[in-house]
This record gives sequence, C-alpha cells and structure tokens, in this order.
Amino acid sequence: EVQLVQSGAEVKKPGESLRISCKASGYDFTTYWITWLRQMPGKGLEWMGRTDPSDSYIYHSPAFEGHVTISLDKSTTTAFLQWNSLKASDTAIYYCARHYSSLHAFDIWGQGTMVTVSS
Amino acid sequence: IVLTQSPDTLSLSPGDRATLSCRASQRLSTSKDYFAWYQQRPGQAPRLLIYDASTRATGIPDRFSGSGSGTDFTLTITRLEPEDFAVYYCQQYGGSPTFGPGTKVDI
Repeated sequence: EVQLVQSGAEVKKPGESLRISCKASGYDFTTYWITWLRQMPGKGLEWMGRTDPSDSYIYHSPAFEGHVTISLDKSTTTAFLQWNSLKASDTAIYYCARHYSSLHAFDIWGQGTMVTVSS
Repeated sequence: IVLTQSPDTLSLSPGDRATLSCRASQRLSTSKDYFAWYQQRPGQAPRLLIYDASTRATGIPDRFSGSGSGTDFTLTITRLEPEDFAVYYCQQYGGSPTFGPGTKVDI
C-alpha cells in the first residue's frame, strides 16, 4: 500500500527546535517529489516547499525560507521538516504529500502532524 | 497566482447537486490547466479529487466532475452523499502551488 506516515503530535515552547518526519512506503521513493504544507487552526492550506528525492533538489517557498528547512534521507525513504527556533505562530497541522513532478497534483497525503507552540 | 472560491459556504441536503467555483487571478498556462480539487473532511488530511482540471483521481466516484479552463473552474457533485459534506479546496500547480480559501459544503 502506498502511504506517507508522519510523526506524532508535538508540544513545544517558543525558541525550541523541532524536526518532524514523513516516511514513504509502497512505492519507489525516488520517483515522486515530496511537498510540505501548513494548515493553521481553522484555516486553509499553504505550500511550504518541496524536494525531489531523485537528485535531492530542495526548494523552499519564499514565505517560509529562512524559518524552516526541508531535508530527506533516501536510505530510510523519509522526508523531514525542521525548525531551529519555533514561534507561537508555527502552531498548525503540517502535512506532507507526494507528487510525480512539479507539474502534478498531490495524490497521496500523510495524516498530518499537529505542532503546538506555547509557553 | 491567487485563487478565489465561491461561495464560502454551500448549505444543501443529501441528494442535491453542488456546484463550486474557483477563479484564478491569471491564466494558469497556455498549454495545459494545472488545476486540482481536494476534499477535506473534519479531522482528516485533504484528498485529491480532480487533477488537470477534469480528470478524476483514482478511486473517486463519478458523481464528482471538474470542468473549466484558463481562469475559471468548476467542481460539480451530483447527488450529494452524507460523506460529501466537507471543505473543498481548489489548487493550481503550474508554478509555485497555491490554494483557494475553501468552500464548505454543509447540511
């Protein structure tokens, strides 16, 4: 079965660091890109950036560049989203999703990781 | 590219027909409509319904259909089922992907 399984919910304090994960299985990991998206409480979807596992190309949306880092580990077919210094405004559900190329829709989604940042 | 969806909320009953609209601030592409629709039920991840403006994704019932081109797109759901009451997002993926704000279909 093709699936993306994300790491569990996190509760952090402002200024702390965090890395969440998205493990792919059931398909050739290098064939599909992985994208990260944010959904703030009660709000819509925002695209954060993407990575192409075939060549480790990574692109961060300008809206998020400098605040988050996307990475991947091909040996474990896992993509990561990392913060060095969390803010309260980072409280959201974060989704990973796969797509065949930059010109394809997101056909498989992870279940989401809830990140709560509160003092 | 900014996407605008209408209406914000659609109040319907099971068995009704739903028509959701999405307008792009500029034409997505001259060669192909890189445009999709997603469904998000409460507490769940979004699910791809339609891609390339009118192609149903794998496993999506034929009561869902997409149409449109250029800057105006429509998602039609014929004969609403109870599980169809959800939020629907449109998306363009011709460049940096963007999403519309969503249309809630409720009872």
